Amino acid sequence: QKEVEQNSGPLSVPEGAIASLNCTYSDRGSQSFFWYRQYSGKSPELIMSIYSNGDKEDGRFTAQLNKASQYVSLLIRDSQPSDSATYLCAVNRGTGGFKTIFGAGTRLFVKA
Amino acid sequence: ETGVTQTPRHLVMGMTNKKSLKCEQHLGHNAMYWYKQSAKKPLELMFVYSLEERVENNSVPSRFSPECPNSSHLFLHLHTLQPEDSALYLCASSPGGLAKNIQYFGAGTRLSVL
Repeated sequence: QKEVEQNSGPLSVPEGAIASLNCTYSDRGSQSFFWYRQYSGKSPELIMSIYSNGDKEDGRFTAQLNKASQYVSLLIRDSQPSDSATYLCAVNRGTGGFKTIFGAGTRLFVKA
Repeated sequence: ETGVTQTPRHLVMGMTNKKSLKCEQHLGHNAMYWYKQSAKKPLELMFVYSLEERVENNSVPSRFSPECPNSSHLFLHLHTLQPEDSALYLCASSPGGLAKNIQYFGAGTRLSVL
């Protein structure tokens, strides 16, 4: 079982729609959860972090965490063509350690 | 601009060459990382340094040798690499601290081993 699993996609949504990206993780001791966006040929950049169960909203982005189900998701409302990128889910045990485990990413295409 | 600078951006080397990748962070962070990113594979953590001390070493072959002379600089020394080592090598830094391991990535070095 992979430590952090994501559907590789591609996920294709029309402009203006909601894009839903999902991630599951295997380590029940995980405390910190991140979503990074990586444009083609560029490095990852953080777009959301979440540490407790529930929803966290930031502009058009909402991260959702369910530790009991070991599941974290990212919703992108009013998707724009500029949101087309690979989205990486990352998980950290958060006990002071520095090891963050990344998923392989979900590729998102937003069609104009 | 993330405050993490990597050089060179592109590197082509033969299997018998020796080269070094350089990373510098201007964020005042305590931790620095090397990752390897291959096509369609997750980011692979290679090394982590916290306050210049190596704290993670993920079974990386000895042909990769890290060096952290101070908290702002990180090097990855390469020698006798294999073609399968061709990948994007990313440096990152983070402020450290409990449960707040947000990482800031450099632009990466695209390495090709011939």
